[in-house]
Amino acid sequence: AQSVTQPDIHITVSEGASLELRCNYSYGATPYLFWYVQSPGQGLQLLLKYFSGDTLVQGIKGFEAEFKRSQSSFNLRKPSVHWSDAAEYFCAVGFNTNAGKSTFGDGTTLTVKP
Amino acid sequence: ETGVTQSPTHLIKTRGQQVTLRCSSQSGHNTVSWYQQALGQGPQFIFQYYREEENGRGNFPPRFSGLQFPNYSSELNVNALELDDSALYLCASSPGQATGTEAFFGQGTRLTVV
Repeated sequence: AQSVTQPDIHITVSEGASLELRCNYSYGATPYLFWYVQSPGQGLQLLLKYFSGDTLVQGIKGFEAEFKRSQSSFNLRKPSVHWSDAAEYFCAVGFNTNAGKSTFGDGTTLTVKP
Repeated sequence: ETGVTQSPTHLIKTRGQQVTLRCSSQSGHNTVSWYQQALGQGPQFIFQYYREEENGRGNFPPRFSGLQFPNYSSELNVNALELDDSALYLCASSPGQATGTEAFFGQGTRLTVV
């Protein structure tokens, strides 16, 4: 069975600093990987996705993620964090190709210091 | 274009009661997935409906059931509510089953069981 681990429950960064959120997955086949963001009281918004091809994927809001098969990782990065990035971030791995069926990690809460 | 809408936004039920949650999928989307998100955890896949048929189910007991209607809107029914059913229930719609299909999430229904 597939699983997703987000090792960092909570991360605090200063505004303008760089950010990396970690994600490790376990999946027996080619993974379909996603990063979502959730603000308080809101649903999930897709930041980016990886299905195949270039292992560095660009997303919305200046985020990018790199797929590393050898490390079973899909870490999310942003070069300069804005206060509005404070939210909870979820990594997910999709069942076959269908993004509607996904296994999620337990999330990383990002706090941004002024 | 109307997004995914869920109703109600909040509700409180008593243990042992039954509840129905509703989801209107985004225009043109024929696939609806339901997730349960307990406090401090990532969403867990409950089941998916595709063209009115169940298309995959997660590790949830039979008292969790669903329906999808000809207009692709969907209901999640939970019988014999337990305290542990208290959670945010998320609905996601997608335009099909093809590779790379993105899922769009609603704002969720917050269910509290007392």
